[in-house]
Amino acid sequence: GESVGLHLPTLSVQEGDNSIINCAYSNSASDYFIWYKQESGKGPQFIIDIRSNMDKRQGQRVTVLLNKTVKHLSLQIAATQPGDSAVYFCAENLSGTSYGKLTFGQGTILTVHP
Amino acid sequence: NAGVTQTPKFQVLKTGQSMTLQCAQDMNHEYMSWYRQDPGMGLRLIHYSVGAGITDQGEVPNGYNVSRSTTEDFPLRLLSAAPSQTSVYFCASRKTQGSEAFFGQGTRLTVV
Repeated sequence: GESVGLHLPTLSVQEGDNSIINCAYSNSASDYFIWYKQESGKGPQFIIDIRSNMDKRQGQRVTVLLNKTVKHLSLQIAATQPGDSAVYFCAENLSGTSYGKLTFGQGTILTVHP
Repeated sequence: NAGVTQTPKFQVLKTGQSMTLQCAQDMNHEYMSWYRQDPGMGLRLIHYSVGAGITDQGEVPNGYNVSRSTTEDFPLRLLSAAPSQTSVYFCASRKTQGSEAFFGQGTRLTVV
């Protein structure tokens, strides 16, 4: 039967604050991770990525942290702006026999208040 | 630079009808995937392909078929539509398994 829709985790921040969005991934063999931003009515857009041989990577106003020990990924957004309001997804690339498979986490709704 | 193009953008089907969602990319990417996105949920992988002639099942493949006869195109077929297939469908492509995926704008499908 049809699964019941889940309520996405939400994060509300004030404009100018820093935001931290967390993601737990499932496969310890995953070797590549991506954060995506999805605005209403649009497809996901790439924000930043990180490979499993790194634990931190920085972009413009964004930083991704990877903790392989506990299979945890986080996205930090500095000086959050109203335009950052969206749903944020992490994705993991499965290596090994499932190569080519990119699977997504549930997503987090970020709301930025002016 | 078109990127990933999906057609149609919107579609309404009656239960039992069949249709094909089209996806084309002009970036010469080997990897292509189809996802569905339901309200309040993330993207779930339906089928994926690592090159022309090669396809594999994702998390929710039942009720869907795919083929990959060319690098550019990766159509998704619904053989007998069901209301449970009402969703937004996204096609994505990427150059390698260690690179970002580019997404189309989505197809909003309603099955009544």
